[in-house]
Amino acid sequence: NAGVTQTPKFRVLKTGQSMTLLCAQDMNHEYMYWYRQDPGMGLRLIHYSVGEGTTAKGEVPDGYNVSRLKKQNFLLGLESAAPSQTSVYFCASTADRANQPQHFGDGTRLSIL
Amino acid sequence: GQQVMQIPQYQHVQEGEDFTTYCNSSTTLSNIQWYKQRPGGHPVFLIQLVKSGEVKKQKRLTFQFGEAKKNSSLHITATQTTDVGTYFCAGPYSGGYQKVTFGTGTKLQVIP
Repeated sequence: NAGVTQTPKFRVLKTGQSMTLLCAQDMNHEYMYWYRQDPGMGLRLIHYSVGEGTTAKGEVPDGYNVSRLKKQNFLLGLESAAPSQTSVYFCASTADRANQPQHFGDGTRLSIL
Repeated sequence: GQQVMQIPQYQHVQEGEDFTTYCNSSTTLSNIQWYKQRPGGHPVFLIQLVKSGEVKKQKRLTFQFGEAKKNSSLHITATQTTDVGTYFCAGPYSGGYQKVTFGTGTKLQVIP
């Protein structure tokens, strides 16, 4: 009964380092999303995918890349981390359209020094 | 682009008092969702409203969708400490159902 699983849960990076955040869902959902959450800013969409092999830019895509090679996995990459990318990152999925309930992972707390 | 604003940003209430958060969209929404995020947790889906003027209740929570489908509200009657958290509304992005825009959220603190 895992739902949406994000790894890692916490990470500290130095400026310029790279890393990949992994999101895995076991609900056979088509749509997957990456959000970042900053104090007072709500949830802002970074990138999303409407199916295996597809990706699209969201509201704040700069500095991030994504891949959806398998339906159950959605990867978020930071090629050269910057302090402005310090945030809490949430992955979410929906069955087949965004107007259905979104199921969120527990989040990844990322600090860039 | 589409904007979804919520007021107030923060609200402190005494336990037992009522609480209301308002959600306003710059564009007409086909539907609206509400989520709750407990401190340190992730957003959890509460409910979805679809029809103009729709009102739905979940125990002490009452959700309303405006007649013009550009605003919504969440009202909690007789708050409890378990209601603490941030409440978000979310609506489909203009022109499609591939993504939603989340509101800025209202953080509720309940004083015992």
